[in-house]
Amino acid sequence: KNQVEQSPQSLIILEGKNCTLQCNYTVSPFSNLRWYKQDTGRGPVSLTIMTFSENTKSNGRYTATLDADTKQSSLHITASQLSDSASYICVVSAGNTDKLIFGTGTRLQVFP
Amino acid sequence: DVKVTQSSRYLVKRTGEKVFLECVQDMDHENMFWYRQDPGLGLRLIYFSYDVKMKEKGDIPEGYSVSREKKERFSLILESASTNQTSMYLCASSTTWDGQNEKLFFGSGTQLSVL
Repeated sequence: KNQVEQSPQSLIILEGKNCTLQCNYTVSPFSNLRWYKQDTGRGPVSLTIMTFSENTKSNGRYTATLDADTKQSSLHITASQLSDSASYICVVSAGNTDKLIFGTGTRLQVFP
Repeated sequence: DVKVTQSSRYLVKRTGEKVFLECVQDMDHENMFWYRQDPGLGLRLIYFSYDVKMKEKGDIPEGYSVSREKKERFSLILESASTNQTSMYLCASSTTWDGQNEKLFFGSGTQLSVL
């Protein structure tokens, strides 16, 4: 069964600290993996998208990694800001159909 | 910037009412989607459309229908709203995946409460 699991469910950090969010998937065949940021009461916004051949991709203070062998991805946030408080959703696209499998998200709260 | 606009941010309806959720995109995208998002669950696909007047069932189509009369507009219809349809509804649109760039864009969502 195609699944995407994220950890932790929630995370609290202090402003300026770094953090790493995890995503494990069992989706086959794999097409691409995406990370979205969703502010409270808003729709998800794309942060990064990675294909099979990409190991790492950055978008400002956000860096995503992908290990296609172990079927794991991580999202690293550097020097966190209050505006990073949001849910972060890992999404894997399955094969030729481009069907999207969504994780349940990690709720990040950044406090001053 | 791509804009996907959902007509209502919040809706409160009564059980048994017919409910229309409207979504409009301004980037001439072929594909449009309706998802629902519930606490503790990932986004779940209700219906999608690859072209005008075309529709395909997603993972949870029961109790819903859709309409796509024009390319830019995709409507979700709850024929007879029930309390278990209380949820956040997200519309999205996309062009064909080109192997590199994100092409999927979401609206801001409609929080529907059925009493």
